[in-house]
Amino acid sequence: DGGITQSPKYLFRKEGQNVTLSCEQNLNHDAMYWYRQDPGQGLRLIYYSQIVNDFQKGDIAEGYSVSREKKESFPLTVTSAQKNPTAFYLCASSTWGQGAFFGQGTRLTVV
Amino acid sequence: GENVEQHPSTLSVQEGDSAVIKCTYSDSASNYFPWYKQELGKRPQLIIDIRSNVGEKKDQRIAVTLNKTAKHFSLHITETQPEDSAVYFCAATYRGSGAGSYQLTFGKGTKLSVIP
Repeated sequence: DGGITQSPKYLFRKEGQNVTLSCEQNLNHDAMYWYRQDPGQGLRLIYYSQIVNDFQKGDIAEGYSVSREKKESFPLTVTSAQKNPTAFYLCASSTWGQGAFFGQGTRLTVV
Repeated sequence: GENVEQHPSTLSVQEGDSAVIKCTYSDSASNYFPWYKQELGKRPQLIIDIRSNVGEKKDQRIAVTLNKTAKHFSLHITETQPEDSAVYFCAATYRGSGAGSYQLTFGKGTKLSVIP
């Protein structure tokens, strides 16, 4: 289960707050991804990065921001512009031919 | 970009029966196809994968087949057990020409229920 670590496991956000979810990997993977999963739903891509200092929007990027200053790290900020942020957030990393490895996830709840 | 369709969205089988989940992809350049299992409240875990130069791969009760011409691939689970109950995702990967240039696209998932 090691290799890619997300923190925190649970996160509570007040209305109007920005919060940042951490994702770190020591697998030397080039690509990293952020997905959102709602109850009983599939994986929706928020952002992905294939190389340091570069990232692209996924299908549901509005209200989120990311950075990729280091190969190992790909933090996700959920901004106040995201009106319905309560969900399970999964970070993943991959390299060619090895599939993606997922972190344990962060459950974000708006209070 | 790549588009992956997965069917069915839900599947119920009796314990001991076989289960088949099918995926189609749109980009003929995709050449690596992993499958993931996600148990309730947990992260997706890679269970088996196949490359485009192989037609079939088996791992105990799990097998994956690939038809490049038709652009579809399938997951087969034999002798199903209650612990096989989970959501299964297929994915397709296209490798581009630049370093780190590859896309990973997931299907929407299949919820498999194995009835004891």
